[in-house]
Amino acid sequence: SYELTQPPSVSVSPGQTAKITCSGDALPKQFAYWYHQKPGQAPVLVIYKDSERPSGIPERFSGSGSGTTVTLTISGVQAEDEADYYCQSADSSGTYWAFGGGTRLTVL
Amino acid sequence: EVQLVESGGGLVQPGGSLRLSCAASGFMFRSYWMTWVRQVPGKGLQWVATIKQDGSEEFYVDSVKGRFTISRDNAKNSLYLQMRSLGAEDAAVYYCARYTGGAVVPTDFLGDAFDIWGQGTMVTVSS
Repeated sequence: SYELTQPPSVSVSPGQTAKITCSGDALPKQFAYWYHQKPGQAPVLVIYKDSERPSGIPERFSGSGSGTTVTLTISGVQAEDEADYYCQSADSSGTYWAFGGGTRLTVL
Repeated sequence: EVQLVESGGGLVQPGGSLRLSCAASGFMFRSYWMTWVRQVPGKGLQWVATIKQDGSEEFYVDSVKGRFTISRDNAKNSLYLQMRSLGAEDAAVYYCARYTGGAVVPTDFLGDAFDIWGQGTMVTVSS
């Protein structure tokens, strides 16, 4: 098995910066990916390969990584960013995938 | 339009079996590895299984090995998940998702992401 660890919740006021971390032993070797999910909807990819942003994702979403921890940063948080955020990666073999437990972002 | 549509969910008794399907459209299905991910309502996402583009190899999360079988029919642009010996812990929304790693595809610049998701199908396990 392989585990990724995220904080259960993060709260910020509109316009502030939200940081969500994800820790995993294989993160120095494997890229991380981030998804957001709103109630009743499927997950949506917001960051790939640690720090790249898919087309259509706002510039306020960014990612970074250092050692066994990666971080999703949302700058200038807006009310519409309130959602659950999941990191995803694989173990060192590359063929056993895992998601973090998810972080609920609350915009106060 | 790139689309994945799951079906086959429903109510099943403990110990029973169920087969989920996922119909793909709008992309070259036979070129992509495909994946099932599940989510207990109100809980997090869990990777379940992944299959290579030609069906030659399958990968499973430990908790479903020996009980679930992922398969595909590239002629029908369809992905399947055969589930057996179902227990309460298997009750969840099951999503199929396109995986961008493992093969040379137009979206391989995304790395090892799950870039397209279906809307999910609910599996309930209860007597």
